[in-house]
Amino acid sequence: GAVVSQHPSRVICKSGTSVKIECRSLDFQATTMFWYRQFPKQSLMLMATSNEGSKATYEQGVEKDKFLINHASLTLSTLTVTSAHPEDSSFYICSALRPGAIYNEQFFGPGTRLTVL
Amino acid sequence: AQSVTQLGSHVSVSEGALVLLRCNYSSSVPPYLFWYVQYPNQGLQLLLKYTTGATLVKGINGFEAEFKKSETSFHLTKPSAHMSDAAEYFCAVSEQSTGNQFYFGTGTSLTVIP
Repeated sequence: GAVVSQHPSRVICKSGTSVKIECRSLDFQATTMFWYRQFPKQSLMLMATSNEGSKATYEQGVEKDKFLINHASLTLSTLTVTSAHPEDSSFYICSALRPGAIYNEQFFGPGTRLTVL
Repeated sequence: AQSVTQLGSHVSVSEGALVLLRCNYSSSVPPYLFWYVQYPNQGLQLLLKYTTGATLVKGINGFEAEFKKSETSFHLTKPSAHMSDAAEYFCAVSEQSTGNQFYFGTGTSLTVIP
């Protein structure tokens, strides 16, 4: 199957700093990528849909000024958590949408563990 | 909007016993259906998916699932549990109309007892 990478896999930062997480589709072009957040022992919560060359679409309740998404190329989307606080600590997972003849399949990255001290 | 229900947030089975993880969805049209497994601090690994065709789908690691339209279900089974099957399992659906938006169930944590 297709490969989606995330970098970094783990990050620890101080409260008030900004953290950037990269999501790359390594062997296909993805016009659409998704960002999810997962709290411990819970399911994935869709945060936003990232579209190449246009603004991201945020889900209700997700602060777009806090979670900045940039999809500058067909293989790269970035999520920047601005002025991070301890409550932003979570597991962030991205996915990339690969167009297909029958349906468009999502491929998930390995996730990024963010810890804000 | 779709909703996905996974009955049982925790399931325990003995090693060698049948694994049955339940998933029901709400949709007026047949969706695409997926099962993912997640090990601690890792991303999602696709176990199997149903898009079209045969309703009994075989996946990796000996898992299979059957799409039952009349019951709006897509239960995951494995005849004989292995210790390495202990993980979190997520059922997900996406709509045929877009094939994009994923709706995840709340997950089922599988424990395998030696």
